[in-house]
Amino acid sequence: GAGVSQTPSNKVTEKGKYVELRCDPISGHTALYWYRQSLGQGPEFLIYFQGTGAADDSGLPNDRFFAVRPEGSVSTLKIQRTERGDSAVYLCASSLTRDSSYEQYFGPGTRLTVT
Amino acid sequence: AQTVTQSQPEMSVQEAETVTLSCTYDTSESDYYLFWYKQPPSRQMILVIRQEAYKQQNATENRFSVNFQKAAKSFSLKISDSQLGDAAMYFCAYQRGADGLTFGKGTHLIIQP
Repeated sequence: GAGVSQTPSNKVTEKGKYVELRCDPISGHTALYWYRQSLGQGPEFLIYFQGTGAADDSGLPNDRFFAVRPEGSVSTLKIQRTERGDSAVYLCASSLTRDSSYEQYFGPGTRLTVT
Repeated sequence: AQTVTQSQPEMSVQEAETVTLSCTYDTSESDYYLFWYKQPPSRQMILVIRQEAYKQQNATENRFSVNFQKAAKSFSLKISDSQLGDAAMYFCAYQRGADGLTFGKGTHLIIQP
């Protein structure tokens, strides 16, 4: 079946603008995760959804970052008033937690560049 | 908070040889999962191998095996018979239950032909 998909694959925006990044998880996966990977670093956890609700949003860096998953499938990460420091690859992952394996399957990421 | 440390920013190995990537972690939990992920230039994060902390037996997946030392909080990855396709960034990661993953900074693996 289809894997995790993310759109767009690349996004260039100007400082101060608003952006939305989309993640389509694997069908039937109840858990969805967002990570941010800065150049030369490992991914950093941002937020985790179980169904429609955010189970853990402790990784969101500030209130300019927000994510939703209204129907328990597709998720959108929203960044307001973008800053140059937000430039990074944003990775999405999903997992089927029912089997207790918690293995996360990653999408190809969205590379965000803030100019 | 959990931390994961990869002390080798870069490793180089001859094709067909064996290489070991190091990882240490810090946690106060007794039940957790450990992973090695591979990230080629395409950015796609690929699971290489996983280990449940409650299992004493080290996980193996074909040419990939781990040395899990729970008391020492060490989780190294051994790649046998290295192939050119193994060249990538390798990340060690920790997870408690269904929580988000905590990653190390990664090791860049170079395969010399």
